[in-house]
Amino acid sequence: ETGVTQSPTHLIKTRGQQVTLRCSSQSGHNTVSWYQQALGQGPQFIFQYYREEENGRGNFPPRFSGLQFPNYSSELNVNALELDDSALYLCASSRSSGAAGNIQYFGAGTRLSVL
Amino acid sequence: AQKITQTQPGMFVQEKEAVTLDCTYDTSDPSYGLFWYKQPSSGEMIFLIYQGSYDQQNATEGRYSLNFQKARKSANLVISASQLGDSAMYFCAMREGIGSGTYKYIFGTGTRLKVLA
Repeated sequence: ETGVTQSPTHLIKTRGQQVTLRCSSQSGHNTVSWYQQALGQGPQFIFQYYREEENGRGNFPPRFSGLQFPNYSSELNVNALELDDSALYLCASSRSSGAAGNIQYFGAGTRLSVL
Repeated sequence: AQKITQTQPGMFVQEKEAVTLDCTYDTSDPSYGLFWYKQPSSGEMIFLIYQGSYDQQNATEGRYSLNFQKARKSANLVISASQLGDSAMYFCAMREGIGSGTYKYIFGTGTRLKVLA
C-alpha cells in the first residue's frame, strides 16, 4: 500500500459529459502527477501539481484540467468527454518536485469508460 | 524527441532463474532519473528501483538491480531468483528536468513477464 488513494475506482460516462477524479496524496508528499493509461499501453503524463500550481504538462488538450488543494490532494477534471478518453487514470504523489530522483508513488487508479 | 523504448513485449522465465528486461532511453537533458515500475493485473503501479543520471554505481533493491550503461543509454532491469509473484507488466520510465522547474515523465510501452513454475 502506497498511501495514495483514488476515487472512484470505476466510472462510466457518456460522450460529451464532464468527469472529476480525485486523489489523496501520501502523507508528507506535496507533488501530485496525473497519468492516462490506455489499454495495453504505458502511462502518458497529463500534468503535475506542486504547491497548488501546475508545474509541467504533457500533450493533452485544455479540456484536461486539474486542481491541487492546500492539503495536497488533487482533482483531475475532463470536459467534453470523448470515446478515446476511456482509460485507467493514475495519480502519483512525491515529496518535492525539486529533489533529484524523487520517487512517485501511485494509487490504484480510476478506470473510466466513455460510452 | 525524448523517449523510452522497451523492445520486449513479453518474456518468460523459469521460477528461481534470473531475467533481464531491456530499456533504452533518449534524452538531451544531462540530468535525468530512470525508474522501473511493476504493474500487476490489479492496475496499481509499484515502484521497484531508481537510477540517477549522475549515479556512479548501479542501483540495487533486494532482488532487483538496474544495469545502467550511460554511454549506450540503456537501463536494463535484472530480477534475480524469479518468483511466481513477479508475473506482471514492467515499465521503464524517465524523468527529466530535475531542478528546472518543469518536469516531464515518460513511460515505455512495457514488458509482460510470465514466471513459469
